[in-house]
Amino acid sequence: EIVLTQSPATLSMSPGDRATLSCRASQSFSSYLAWYQQKPGQAPRLLIYDASNRATGIPARFSGSGSGTDFTLTISSLEPEDFAVYYCQQHSNWPLTFGGGTKVEIK
Amino acid sequence: EVQLLESGGGLVQPGGSLRLSCAASGFTFSSYAMSWVRQAPGKRLECVSSVTGSGHTTHYADSVKGRFTISRDNSKNTLYLQMHSLRAEDTALYFCAGHSAGYYFDSWGQGTLVTVSS
Repeated sequence: EIVLTQSPATLSMSPGDRATLSCRASQSFSSYLAWYQQKPGQAPRLLIYDASNRATGIPARFSGSGSGTDFTLTISSLEPEDFAVYYCQQHSNWPLTFGGGTKVEIK
Repeated sequence: EVQLLESGGGLVQPGGSLRLSCAASGFTFSSYAMSWVRQAPGKRLECVSSVTGSGHTTHYADSVKGRFTISRDNSKNTLYLQMHSLRAEDTALYFCAGHSAGYYFDSWGQGTLVTVSS
């Protein structure tokens, strides 16, 4: 099973800041990594798939990069609606696994 | 517009059974692989089971193997999760999720809550 470790657990930021979220895998795989945003009381929303492809309707301020074991989600300039929890998920091998999440909170 | 609507959650005693349903609309259901993903309080998201569009291939997390069965009825655009021998650790919000291409989840329902408690 591929274990995903996200860091940091919490990121305290201000609107307009650049946020960088990390996801590290316990073993190398290709670029089959996705990122999701989840707000309280809502289902997760797909942001990025295949490490760097934005899902339909996702703003350009969200970008993903990485391969192998190290992946990054970058939010170039935080908007008020971006404060949420972010999860990575590998879609390379079964079982499909998620990271533990990074909470982006308002400083 | 893709819509997924889960139902069937509730309170059940340990050792009991429950069947979850997910009614799909707004897309060609039989073309999508589908999964059940759960979220327990304080724990990470867990994909417990997936099924291909045809229903011929299924996957299960080790934590539910032998106890849960995923199935689908493409004529009714509905996904199911039959759960037996439920344990306290199965308590979670269960989401139905769809995969239009690879095994990332590009559509989600709002979830149905399963509570296993005496």
